[in-house]
Amino acid sequence: DGGITQSPKYLFRKEGQNVTLSCEQNLNHDAMYWYRQDPGQGLRLIYYSQIVNDFQKGDIAEGYSVSREKKESFPLTVTSAQKNPTAFYLCASKRTGGYGYTFGSGTRLTVV
Amino acid sequence: GENVEQHPSTLSVQEGDSAVIKCTYSDSASNYFPWYKQELGKRPQLIIDIRSNVGEKKDQRIAVTLNKTAKHFSLHITETQPEDSAVYFCAKGYFGNEKLTFGTGTRLTIIP
Repeated sequence: DGGITQSPKYLFRKEGQNVTLSCEQNLNHDAMYWYRQDPGQGLRLIYYSQIVNDFQKGDIAEGYSVSREKKESFPLTVTSAQKNPTAFYLCASKRTGGYGYTFGSGTRLTVV
Repeated sequence: GENVEQHPSTLSVQEGDSAVIKCTYSDSASNYFPWYKQELGKRPQLIIDIRSNVGEKKDQRIAVTLNKTAKHFSLHITETQPEDSAVYFCAKGYFGNEKLTFGTGTRLTIIP
């Protein structure tokens, strides 16, 4: 997966449940990102982290939470407060001072 | 002033013809403009980028032009081939701010 791995590829969640999406990278990148992709809306930023133990809200953070306890890992929790969680979620990473993102292969979350 | 507008949302061109996708923005701070290609079911991948100190950059059949005064940048694909069929996203960012803002995407279809 080119150094950044997302799991699982498909995830089904019942309404009212929290679910955690995994993102791991071995590129030694400092910055990591979570984007949500919906048809016709492009990629919208949920959360990002530039350094371990620190993260910032993106444009659509409500109903989501993250942690950054290790440089390699940036898990995203979709909580029951997220009103419309069905979407394709993309994780990305970038070295500090660099420009281009490396994306993971994504997780498709479906609420059933 | 944070959004990027991308047009058109869909584009069909005959194989061998050229395709042009345009993005506009409104802020003055952005100085980095990448383009990503996302094939069906796959992750976005960086195909070309440009920084604000140049007006044009070319890589084989792909080129990007930037007009900082008018605040728009465009992706040009010449001699299109079936494998160019994908969704293309423009984005903008600036050094010192680690996050990218993406356009809404253009679905390009190459007609054989």
